[in-house]
Amino acid sequence: QKEVEQNSGPLSVPEGAIASLNCTYSDRGSQSFFWYRQYSGKSPELIMSIYSNGDKEDGRFTAQLNKASQYVSLLIRDSQPSDSATYLCAVNGENTDKLIFGTGTRLQVFP
Amino acid sequence: EPEVTQTPSHQVTQMGQEVILRCVPISNHLYFYWYRQILGQKVEFLVSFYNNEISEKSEIFDDQFSVERPDGSNFTLKIRSTKLEDSAMYFCASRADRFLGTQYFGPGTRLLVL
Repeated sequence: QKEVEQNSGPLSVPEGAIASLNCTYSDRGSQSFFWYRQYSGKSPELIMSIYSNGDKEDGRFTAQLNKASQYVSLLIRDSQPSDSATYLCAVNGENTDKLIFGTGTRLQVFP
Repeated sequence: EPEVTQTPSHQVTQMGQEVILRCVPISNHLYFYWYRQILGQKVEFLVSFYNNEISEKSEIFDDQFSVERPDGSNFTLKIRSTKLEDSAMYFCASRADRFLGTQYFGPGTRLLVL
């Protein structure tokens, strides 16, 4: 069974701090990796996608991928209370287009 | 900005009744998906659909479920005889490229089976 693992949290950080969210996956052939943000009762909203090893930055967000370690992370710089949400790691496995989601990490940013 | 839309936003039904959940994917997308999320649990894949055929389905997607694209714009999920455990948020998603690119999610339909 292909799995995506995340710490469920909550991860509490003060406003302005860096939040670090982590995800591991079991399918070594996975090709595409996504971070979605989900507010309570809402649908997943894409934050970042990453396809190759290394870092990818977009504004306050940086995604990091290490395929050898089967590890994806998301850094949120200058965290804001509006960043408080559940962050879902999703992985597109080899030869499939379905997304496998982790359980999500709940992030709380306090003023 | 184009978006995936879903109707209805909420549906309450009695156990054993049929429900049809509707989705309008982003217009130039070719790959369509249904996922569900039971309250407090992870988002789970149900089915993928391309070129008027199911590409892949999960173990959840049994004979009680069906999908179709009746008119070239709508994409529907039918549950023939609902069970209590079908109560969940159902999300439609679409994508332009099969293996790369983002799956864009609709706002979801909250289904409650009584």
